[in-house]
Amino acid sequence: QVQLQESGPGLVKPSETLSLTCTVSGGSISSHYWSWIRQPPGKGLEWIGYVYYSGSTNYNPSLKSRVTISVDTSKSQFSLKLSSVTATDTSVYYCARHTGGSYPYAFDIWGQGTMVTVSS
Amino acid sequence: QSALTQPASVSGSPGQSITISCTATSNDVGGYNSVSWYQQHPGKAPKLMIYDVSNRPSGVSNRFSGSKSGNTASLTISGLQAEDEAHYYCGSYTTSSTPWAFGGGTKLTVL
Repeated sequence: QVQLQESGPGLVKPSETLSLTCTVSGGSISSHYWSWIRQPPGKGLEWIGYVYYSGSTNYNPSLKSRVTISVDTSKSQFSLKLSSVTATDTSVYYCARHTGGSYPYAFDIWGQGTMVTVSS
Repeated sequence: QSALTQPASVSGSPGQSITISCTATSNDVGGYNSVSWYQQHPGKAPKLMIYDVSNRPSGVSNRFSGSKSGNTASLTISGLQAEDEAHYYCGSYTTSSTPWAFGGGTKLTVL
């Protein structure tokens, strides 16, 4: 069965760039949309953006100026970069797979999540 | 501000049924046929419970059902069990400037 695993630093300094990678195992990265979602401590879910296996992307307008999501099909990985971070970017970051199809509909598979703290 | 509005909390006793609403505040929420629902227990990743308004993934109890009327989608949980106590989020693909939106989440308390 398909599994997702986030990896990256758990602590990032203010003004620096947060970088995370999601590794897809047990299945193909093709023919799906893949998203990053975050959840600040004690708060709700916020969609960050998605990438299609072909490389096309779409981002949450509230984060668009700071976000880059990319895919590496040869490694079955997709990545998130969030620049100029502040304490408000402290969150659990999840990667997730959209169900197959022509549109990025429901998230059927989630990673376990990784906590990223922004602090000096 | 989320394009999808949920009540902050709902509660029910074991064996009862509860319904959580999710109202679209925008007319362009993807035709609103792509609503999905997620269950999240503390410290865990969300789990897909309903997709495309009313479809259950394999392995999800048939006590969970989804529906839609106008701009409001609903998640109904029948025969409440203690293990159902969790946060529930609705979400949808949208044709607005924000391509994907989550509701604010509803905390379900089983009394």
